[in-house]
Amino acid sequence: EAGVTQSPTHLIKTRGQQVTLRCSPISGHTSVYWYQQALGLGLQFLLWYDEGEERNRGNFPPRFSGRQFPNYSSELNVNALELEDSALYLCAGRAGGRTYEQYFGPGTRLTVT
Amino acid sequence: QKEVEQDPGPLSVPEGAIVSLNCTYSNSAFQYFMWYRQYSRKGPELLMYTYSSGNKEDGRFTAQVDKSSKYISLFIRDSQPSDSATYLCATRGVGAGSYQLTFGKGTKLSVIP
Repeated sequence: EAGVTQSPTHLIKTRGQQVTLRCSPISGHTSVYWYQQALGLGLQFLLWYDEGEERNRGNFPPRFSGRQFPNYSSELNVNALELEDSALYLCAGRAGGRTYEQYFGPGTRLTVT
Repeated sequence: QKEVEQDPGPLSVPEGAIVSLNCTYSNSAFQYFMWYRQYSRKGPELLMYTYSSGNKEDGRFTAQVDKSSKYISLFIRDSQPSDSATYLCATRGVGAGSYQLTFGKGTKLSVIP
């Protein structure tokens, strides 16, 4: 069974640019969560998508957005990049219903210069 | 006050030692408690979870939750060099709006051969 995949592995962007990160959860998993892991701050919840709908978002500005596709893959968009957006962006998938376990991908390392 | 507090370490122990990792949390609504292990340049992987107070054992690992003091622990017996990683505690509430995880900052553990 393939695990959670994320692309790209890493990228470097300039302040003010826009970036799109992609995630494919394990087959059959319908919920996708995005987390930001910045140095010294730990993992912080960004967004939760379930069955194509945004269900909840963390304490991040609106320039962080995303969507979930009919095949349950997801993308995270960040507009007007700032230096403090440099972080590891992790996506996690969860099977539907009352399951609790989230399976994480390897992450996308974003560097903003 | 951050919702989940965790000493970032680093913690260095000799091989075979018993390791104790701890977190405290402030939100009484948290009901599920998890420990994730994250190797360098990898996504977190779930090690243990417990629901409400009590102990749970899995091989060399024991997770403990004391809801009265809002304290969660992970014990590793007979520690091995392969246990060297960052350990993250995580919590979540109950109910459909609470499925995202709240993480501690992680404790970096090194087990020296």
